[in-house]
Amino acid sequence: QQQVKQSPQSLIVQKGGISIINCAYENTAFDYFPWYQQFPGKGPALLIAIRPDVSEKKEGRFTISFNKSAKQFSLHIMDSQPGDSATYFCAARTWEYGNKLVFGAGTILRVKS
Amino acid sequence: DTAVSQTPKYLVTQMGNDKSIKCEQNLGHDTMYWYKQDSKKFLKIMFSYNNKELIINETVPNRFSPKSPDKAHLNLHINSLELGDSAVYFCASSPGFGSTDTQYFGPGTRLTVL
Repeated sequence: QQQVKQSPQSLIVQKGGISIINCAYENTAFDYFPWYQQFPGKGPALLIAIRPDVSEKKEGRFTISFNKSAKQFSLHIMDSQPGDSATYFCAARTWEYGNKLVFGAGTILRVKS
Repeated sequence: DTAVSQTPKYLVTQMGNDKSIKCEQNLGHDTMYWYKQDSKKFLKIMFSYNNKELIINETVPNRFSPKSPDKAHLNLHINSLELGDSAVYFCASSPGFGSTDTQYFGPGTRLTVL
């Protein structure tokens, strides 16, 4: 119930392409879904986040799509760039678990130039 | 200006030793966290403090003891280090404990136990 399942484990995309990372959850009490980006040797940093009362949120080239009925959400990176190469983590949060962030396993994205 | 800082960045030590990792945030946040990232990059919360009070204590061995001398600092002390403790430890902070409060992570401390 506490898990957030993330796929794929790794992803290779050509420069200019669309990168798509998917996450799924079971607990409907989750009410906040952030995505974090982590570069090698650095800490994770918040990229974009969504609440379940909206189906999509866009910030620049990054879009979260949220499907409440399917309990799934995904990150789309449009016009992927080599500088986007990093590990991406989805996460979820609920008061049920003391508002702690539950992270997915991460996706290593490599954008080829 | 570093928002969340950790020292040391690297820590190499022998099994059985005791070590500490220090964390400081200059963001004026009320809530601080410790996370462990294992070799497969899986991130898991260990502890969380809000205004120096422990609010999350995950299933972590008693050898790990957090200490928050004030709101801006959260240190992690580890006794009797084991091989399995080798990981990257991240400190983080957030304005409060609300569900949408963004967590800001430090650069991490890579602990290697030999």
